[in-house]
Amino acid sequence: AQKITQTQPGMFVQEKEAVTLDCTYDTSDPSYGLFWYKQPSSGEMIFLIYQGSYDQQNATEGRYSLNFQKARKSANLVISASQLGDSAMYFCAMREGRWITGGFKTIFGAGTRLFVKA
Amino acid sequence: KAGVTQTPRYLIKTRGQQVTLSCSPISGHRSVSWYQQTPGQGLQFLFEYFSETQRNKGNFPGRFSGRQFSNSRSEMNVSTLELGDSALYLCASSLAGTRNEQFFGPGTRLTVL
Repeated sequence: AQKITQTQPGMFVQEKEAVTLDCTYDTSDPSYGLFWYKQPSSGEMIFLIYQGSYDQQNATEGRYSLNFQKARKSANLVISASQLGDSAMYFCAMREGRWITGGFKTIFGAGTRLFVKA
Repeated sequence: KAGVTQTPRYLIKTRGQQVTLSCSPISGHRSVSWYQQTPGQGLQFLFEYFSETQRNKGNFPGRFSGRQFSNSRSEMNVSTLELGDSALYLCASSLAGTRNEQFFGPGTRLTVL
């Protein structure tokens, strides 16, 4: 069965430093997508970055990069130059399925709460 | 471009009642998914709709149902509410296709007393 594991319930990072949030996944489907979302205290989920299972290069979006290690089934999020506004809950998610044959199902990890210290 | 909107934002109901939540996707997005978020269970997938058809369903009892209209707007209904249904209900929309990057609405906070 598909599964997403985030082993860090909470993380602290000093402002302006980089931080890595861990995510491992398990799936038997060769076609899948991996996402990271940020959820501030307001509750809204904000899309950060996407990595497709067939993508050859690691995804990057501004200060966010995804360290995709397919053989190890890991998709860690790296935030460079942390800012106070980065303090939030971060969720790793995996989408399985094929659009043409039946649509998608997305599952989320338990999340990691990031605290950025001034 | 306007984002995903959900109404109402907050709702208080009592056990046994039923509730309907509404979601309007981003213009041009035809895929809508619903999620339930609770402190104990985290984010759980409820269902996905595309072109008025439910394409996927999570492991929730039949009291949870939904539908999608021709303008892609979606509604979710929960009948015979239980205390455990108290949660943040999130709706997400996406363009049809391979990537399926989802954009979330602000959620509806449902409290069941």
